[in-house]
Amino acid sequence: AQSVTQLGSHVSVSEGALVLLRCNYSSSVPPYLFWYVQYPNQGLQLLLKYTSAATLVKGINGFEAEFKKSETSFHLTKPSAHMSDAAEYFCALAGGTSYGKLTFGQGTILTVHP
Amino acid sequence: EAQVTQNPRYLITVTGKKLTVTCSQNMNHEYMSWYRQDPGLGLRQIYYSMNVEVTDKGDVPEGYKVSRKEKRNFPLILESPSPNQTSLYFCASSLRGQKNNEQFFGPGTRLTVL
Repeated sequence: AQSVTQLGSHVSVSEGALVLLRCNYSSSVPPYLFWYVQYPNQGLQLLLKYTSAATLVKGINGFEAEFKKSETSFHLTKPSAHMSDAAEYFCALAGGTSYGKLTFGQGTILTVHP
Repeated sequence: EAQVTQNPRYLITVTGKKLTVTCSQNMNHEYMSWYRQDPGLGLRQIYYSMNVEVTDKGDVPEGYKVSRKEKRNFPLILESPSPNQTSLYFCASSLRGQKNNEQFFGPGTRLTVL
């Protein structure tokens, strides 16, 4: 069975500080991994995705994530937080026998303080 | 503009009163699915459809029905809503063919069942 665990339901950082949102996965097949962002009262927007082409993936708005197979992790980072980054972030996994299905983590709410 | 639309965005209803949440996409995507989002649980798949007239259960299908008579539309039907179906619902679509295809999400429908 596939699963995704996001460590920390709430993360708070100061503006300009490093953002680190943690995601660990479990999959019996090579995973496809995604990070989505959800701004208040909006749907989910794709930040970036891992497709096995490169372990370091760059996404929109200055975010990037590194796939580490040995650690089964896909942590999301941004060097310098901006107030507009405040949102809920979801790590998701695709793969296995159910085509198209995304298995989501529990979500991490990012708060950015001035 | 490429998008997934859902209606209504907000709905308050009473137990047992049948309702339908519509979902439409204009990207000619084969794959469509419904998720529900609950605090601390992330998003969980309710039903999905690989193409017209092809639907199947996701992880939490109890109490829901779907249909796919046209490629662009994928309505979610609650025949007899109950309070435990109070949730935020998202429709998503993607191209078929690869598991790493990006899924596009609608803006969400917040349902309250009294």
